[in-house]
Parts: sequence; structure tokens; C-alpha cells
Amino acid sequence: SYVLTQPPSVSVAPGKTARITCGGNNIGGKSVNWYQQKPGQAPVLVIYYHSDRPSGIPERFSGSNSGNTATLTISRVEAGDEADYYCQVWDSSSDVVFGGGTKLTVL
Amino acid sequence: QVHLVQSGAEVKKYGASMKVSCKASGYPFISFGISWVRQAPGQGLEWMGWISAYNGDTKYAQKLQGRVTMTTDTSTTTAYMELRSLRSDDTAVYYCARVVGSTYAFDIWGQGTMVSVSS
Repeated sequence: SYVLTQPPSVSVAPGKTARITCGGNNIGGKSVNWYQQKPGQAPVLVIYYHSDRPSGIPERFSGSNSGNTATLTISRVEAGDEADYYCQVWDSSSDVVFGGGTKLTVL
Repeated sequence: QVHLVQSGAEVKKYGASMKVSCKASGYPFISFGISWVRQAPGQGLEWMGWISAYNGDTKYAQKLQGRVTMTTDTSTTTAYMELRSLRSDDTAVYYCARVVGSTYAFDIWGQGTMVSVSS
């Protein structure tokens, strides 16, 4: 089955850039979606199809994908960005797969 | 506005069944699929399966095959997820989510339904 690997935690100071990685075998050949989940809330789609943003998602959120790593980048991080972030792909052998999640802490 | 509104929290006994509903509004129901995703306390997201609201086709996660059934009622624009033979590790928040495009992204989520399974 297909596996997505995320770091458990990432810390960043306000105003700096946070990068959250998602590793998977040849993930660069797949479409990657990213979700933000705040405590007690449902997930919110922040990036789809590698780098597209749904309406209402700030331009500070961007995505990239190449080789075996996809990356969610959050520029000019704000306190309100503190949340869990999950990557997700569809794989022909495993159907929908989520990464284990990364807790973003804003220092 | 597009909304998915789920049924309320449930407490179930070991071995029982549960059925969660997900009422869709604000978009053409049959134009999108619905997936179900669950999250055990303090854990990550787990995909459970998908149903086409257009024709009822389904795809279930392998680990839940035989215990889960997803259905839709187009007359009420409601999706349902039934899980049988409940055990303690089925304790989780259950979400429905609208599926968009070939990217299989989940762009709209329900508010979640907490289901607790106890002996």
C-alpha cells in the first residue's frame, strides 16, 4: 500500500516561512492535496492539485511537488496558522491516502 | 452556500451498528461524490470510502470491507454511512466530505459526528 510520511511537528516564528513536507514514492507523479485542521474543527482544503488554492485561502499558502517529496509552504506565518496539516493523494492501489499529519507551532 | 450537515453524536455498544447522515445543500447533489473520513481521538485522518451521488457506485477502504455501507438518497440530498459490528477502535469523529474532480480533493466537509463505542 502507498504510504505518505510527514514530520510530526514543525515550528516557526511569526512572519517567517514554514515548510511542511510529505514524502511518498514518486509522489511527484501524483496530485497532492493539503488540509488544515484546527482543534475541534473539521479539516479545510488549503491546496489541491499540487499548488492550486480554493477561494478564500490566502496566497501565503502554496504547494510544490517533485520527485519523492511534496511541500506545503506557508509564507509570513501568522498565529492563526497554528494547526495540524495533512497531505493526501489518490493512489491506484490504495485509493485515498492521508499522511500522518504535521503539527505546526507558531512560536 | 454549500453545506454538509451531519447527524448528532452517538454512543453505541460493542457489536452494535451505527448510521450517520450527511445532508447536502447549496449545490447539485448528483454532480459530486461523497467520501467518509474518520479520526480517532488524537489521531490522524482515515479514509473510509466513497460513493457517487450520481449512480450510487461505491468504493470502500479495504480494512472496512464487509462492515461498511454507504448510500445516498437523491430525493433528500442526503448521504448515509452505516458501520456494523462496532468495536472500541471505531470510536472516532466521522466526517463526510464532498469530492471534487480528478484530484480527489475534499473541498467541503461536514461538521463531524462523534461516535463512542463502549462495552
